[in-house]
Amino acid sequence: NAGVTQTPKFRILKIGQSMTLQCTQDMNHNYMYWYRQDPGMGLKLIYYSVGAGITDKGEVPNGYNVSRSTTEDFPLRLELAAPSQTSVYFCASINPGQAGELFFGEGSRLTVL
Amino acid sequence: AQTVTQSQPEMSVQEAETVTLSCTYDTSENNYYLFWYKQPPSRQMILVIRQEAYKQQNATENRFSVNFQKAAKSFSLKISDSQLGDTAMYFCAFGGSGTSYGKLTFGQGTILTVHP
Repeated sequence: NAGVTQTPKFRILKIGQSMTLQCTQDMNHNYMYWYRQDPGMGLKLIYYSVGAGITDKGEVPNGYNVSRSTTEDFPLRLELAAPSQTSVYFCASINPGQAGELFFGEGSRLTVL
Repeated sequence: AQTVTQSQPEMSVQEAETVTLSCTYDTSENNYYLFWYKQPPSRQMILVIRQEAYKQQNATENRFSVNFQKAAKSFSLKISDSQLGDTAMYFCAFGGSGTSYGKLTFGQGTILTVHP
């Protein structure tokens, strides 16, 4: 059982470039989330989805876009990368009936230079 | 909006001793969940313990226990018989109920170092 899988694990971008962080889960979870973790800080919610075709903004959505065409996949798109987006990104998923216990991916470290 | 505050940026403890990490939160909700997550250098997020706000009994998981004071909005983590593998960053987190499942608000974290 793979759980939540994120790719890539590491990436260096130049300012102004764009990229997509991939996230897929094989647990048939309805709810999925993207968090970012800046150095020495806690995680902050970027976007979330409660099902295919439904997405909504979290606390820090500026500079990002998401889509949810299938239950399994929840990619995060960075447009016009900026140094402020240097961070570790975590994807997570849950079934609501599991009462708030998230399954996290291993994280993707992104550096924008 | 909820806030979570961890007032101890760093803590250290000797192996086999007990340490308590502090967390306070603010919310207007009545039904919610509180969590402690461990993040070792591998950066993996590991759930340590979970507390449902409607339960008066404090949660316990082996060497880990919490002191949940709902009126005071306090949620501390006690680690007994500390082990070298407990060295990590620890995050306190608040989670709502219903459609707020998974929309966690995290504290700033406490770096715990266990010394041999």
